[in-house]
Amino acid sequence: EAGVAQSPRYKIIEKRQSVAFWCNPISGHATLYWYQQILGQGPKLLIQFQNNGVVDDSQLPKDRFSAERLKGVDSTLKIQPAKLEDSAVYLCASSLQTGSGEAFFGQGTRLTVV
Amino acid sequence: GEDVEQSLFLSVREGDSSVINCTYTDSSSTYLYWYKQEPGAGLQLLTYIFSNMDMKQDQRLTVLLNKKDKHLSLRIADTQTGDSAIYFCAGSIYNQGGKLIFGQGTELSVKP
Repeated sequence: EAGVAQSPRYKIIEKRQSVAFWCNPISGHATLYWYQQILGQGPKLLIQFQNNGVVDDSQLPKDRFSAERLKGVDSTLKIQPAKLEDSAVYLCASSLQTGSGEAFFGQGTRLTVV
Repeated sequence: GEDVEQSLFLSVREGDSSVINCTYTDSSSTYLYWYKQEPGAGLQLLTYIFSNMDMKQDQRLTVLLNKKDKHLSLRIADTQTGDSAIYFCAGSIYNQGGKLIFGQGTELSVKP
C-alpha cells in the first residue's frame, strides 16, 4: 500500500512570496490533515478535511493560509504572503475514518522563509 | 483545550529498557498515541491505547495508562541504536474529528 505522498520535500522562499504544497493521501482515506511542525515542537493541526469538506480550520491563519481538497482526494496548502515565522515542516496525514486519530503521515515539506 | 507534556531528552545504553513519559490535561481524550520521528522523516505510528484500557503490549513496546493521574508511558524493552529518534505522545477526542494534540517530543538517544 502506497503511503502519503507530499511534494516538494524542501522549499526556500523569501518573505512575502507565495508557496504551495501538495499532498496525495492513502487511497480510500476520507480524512486528510495538514499539520505544521516548528523546529523543536510537536505538530499542530492547521486544517482537517473529511472528503472535500472542512471539519476543523480553527488554527489556520486564514489571512495568509488557504487549503483545498478538490474531489476529496489530493490537497494543496498555500501560504501567501509568507512570513519568517512560517518556517517549519508541513506534514500531511490521512486516516481511514474520522474520529480514531489513527493517522498516517507523509514525509513532510520543509519550508524555509528567508 | 488539551495540553500534552513530555520530558525533552532521554539517554539509555543499548540493551536497557527505555521509559518515555507523558502527561495530558483533558480526561476526555479517547485515544492516546505514540509516534516515532526519525531525522528528516514523517511520523510513524508505533502504538495506541483506548482510554478504557490500562495497558497494551506490542512486542518490545508496552504502553501504560494511568487515567487518574492522566499519565501515559511508553516502555521499550531491549532498546537498540535504531530506536534513537524523537517520540511523540498525542491524544485525540473522538467527537472532535480525531485531530491529534501532540506533546513536544522526547528525544531518545541510545548509546552502544
